[in-house]
Amino acid sequence: KAGVTQTPRYLIKTRGQQVTLSCSPISGHRSVSWYQQTPGQGLQFLFEYFSETQRNKGNFPGRFSGRQFSNSRSEMNVSTLELGDSALYLCASSPNTGERPEAFFGQGTRLTVV
Amino acid sequence: AQSVTQLDSHVSVSEGTPVLLRCNYSSSYSPSLFWYVQHPNKGLQLLLKYTSAATLVKGINGFEAEFKKSETSFHLTKPSAHMSDAAEYFCVVESNSGYALNFGKGTSLLVTP
Repeated sequence: KAGVTQTPRYLIKTRGQQVTLSCSPISGHRSVSWYQQTPGQGLQFLFEYFSETQRNKGNFPGRFSGRQFSNSRSEMNVSTLELGDSALYLCASSPNTGERPEAFFGQGTRLTVV
Repeated sequence: AQSVTQLDSHVSVSEGTPVLLRCNYSSSYSPSLFWYVQHPNKGLQLLLKYTSAATLVKGINGFEAEFKKSETSFHLTKPSAHMSDAAEYFCVVESNSGYALNFGKGTSLLVTP
């Protein structure tokens, strides 16, 4: 079974631009969540989607948005990029069945804002 | 709110010696707890999880953790460290807001020959 796939792996963008990151979950997983990892703040939850609906959102500005498609694939978008948005963005999928299932993570997209 | 505190930011052990990575949690109810590992430039891999069944949880690669409610701890151990264990380890608790994970700051494990 293929794991969680994130594309692209690396991105370099300029301040003020926008960026879209993509995540394909493990086949059969319907829950997709996104996390931002930085040296200073560690791993922080961005948002979670299930059946195309956002069920939870972390404490991030409105410049960060996401969506999920009917095939469970998800995208996140960051508009008006700032230098502080440079981070590793991790996507995780979960089957959302059974009691408290674990999350399976992709390898991440490394975003550098210059 | 559910949170975890990893008590050591760096731990150094010699190959073949035991590993102990410490984690305390704060929760208003019996939480789900996890340990994840991250190797350089890689994603996060689940080592083990606790979901209110057995308090001693066995994971992959010889790791295990014990849930101690009285001490609000969930320490990760391994009897004998291997060079390939060198990585960043995260203690994680399920958020009470649902569908999210709260990560500790991480413990960097260094294994010396």
